[in-house]
Amino acid sequence: DAGVIQSPRHEVTEMGQEVTLRCKPISGHNSLFWYRQTMMRGLELLIYFNNNVPIDDSGMPEDRFSAKMPNASFSTLKIQPSEPRDSAVYFCASSRDRRAQHFGDGTRLSIL
Amino acid sequence: AQSVTQLDSQVPVFEEAPVELRCNYSSSVSVYLFWYVQYPNQGLQLLLKYLSGSTLVESINGFEAEFNKSQTSFHLRKPSVHISDTAEYFCAVTRTNFGNEKLTFGTGTRLTIIP
Repeated sequence: DAGVIQSPRHEVTEMGQEVTLRCKPISGHNSLFWYRQTMMRGLELLIYFNNNVPIDDSGMPEDRFSAKMPNASFSTLKIQPSEPRDSAVYFCASSRDRRAQHFGDGTRLSIL
Repeated sequence: AQSVTQLDSQVPVFEEAPVELRCNYSSSVSVYLFWYVQYPNQGLQLLLKYLSGSTLVESINGFEAEFNKSQTSFHLRKPSVHISDTAEYFCAVTRTNFGNEKLTFGTGTRLTIIP
């Protein structure tokens, strides 16, 4: 079975540009999670969806960040405008129930 | 709300020596417990989990963890480590009942195996 698929794997862009990260969860999983990982702050949950509906977005840092899940097989995390402090590795994870979350390989984002 | 404490941020261990990575949690409700491993430049992979039943759980690569409810701990152990075990290890907890199902992670323990 295919795991969680994230794209792109690496993104380098200039400050002020719009950045869109993409995630395809494991088929049959009904919850999707977006995380950010940095050396300073560790692993942070940004937002999570259940059955395509946002349940908890308390971790979204500010209005520059938005996430959507238009259907069960696709989600996006958008940053507009991007800033250097947004540089991090962004992970997507999916789960079928509370018993385990399955992570993608992440998108390494660098904002210059 | 739940919280997870991993007191050791870094643990250096000689190859073939035993290791214990400590994890303590706090929760007002019953929880499921997890250990995840992150190899360099990769995502987190589930190593093992405690859901119910036997308090001792094992992974396929020789790690084990024991759920201790009285001490609210879920320490990870391996009797003999290998170079390939070098990675960062995260303990995590989620509530078992309905409601917000997000995982609460510890800050991670970086395990370094010394040849």
